[in-house]
Amino acid sequence: EDKVVQSPLSLVVHEGDTVTLNCSYEVTNFRSLLWYKQEKKAPTFLFMLTSSGIEKKSGRLSSILDKKELFSILNITATQTGDSAVYLCAVGNQGDKIIFGKGTRLHILP
Amino acid sequence: DGGITQSPKYLFRKEGQNVTLSCEQNLNHDAMYWYRQDPGQGLRLIYYSQIVNDFQKGDIAEGYSVSREKKESFPLTVTSAQKNPTAFYLCASTTAVSTDTQYFGPGTRLTVL
Repeated sequence: EDKVVQSPLSLVVHEGDTVTLNCSYEVTNFRSLLWYKQEKKAPTFLFMLTSSGIEKKSGRLSSILDKKELFSILNITATQTGDSAVYLCAVGNQGDKIIFGKGTRLHILP
Repeated sequence: DGGITQSPKYLFRKEGQNVTLSCEQNLNHDAMYWYRQDPGQGLRLIYYSQIVNDFQKGDIAEGYSVSREKKESFPLTVTSAQKNPTAFYLCASTTAVSTDTQYFGPGTRLTVL
């Protein structure tokens, strides 16, 4: 059965800290791995990763994929209170389905 | 403005009633999806549709039904057969070319009284 496992499930840090969120997966016919940020309602897209070892960056956020070890990390440097959210990892397979993890709830203390 | 809209934002239902959640997109996307999200849980796929007049069951389709009569619209009906329907429901769409990057609507929170 396809699955996506995120860790930790929740995390509380102080503003300015750097955090690393983890996502491991077991998915048949992997096509891509995606990261989303969900604040109150709709998840918003952050990154899509398809190739191993190529870091994607957007401001203070970055992510990398390891297809050999079947995991990805999402890094957030110099965290701000606005980074508080649930971060969702999802994996798409060749069958056009996307499997989501349970998310990591991140809370940034001022 | 292009985007996905869902209505209503909040919905209350008595046990035994069917309710229909609306999802409309004007992004000209081919594929549309319905997910359910429970507290502390990730998104679970209910139904998805890649083209008009065709749809497939996701992982938790029991107690739900959908239709795709128009490209822009993918309504979800929560039937009385769904034993635990209280949840947050999210609709998403993607282009056929970049299927994995999903754009989400604002969600509907359904509460069964």
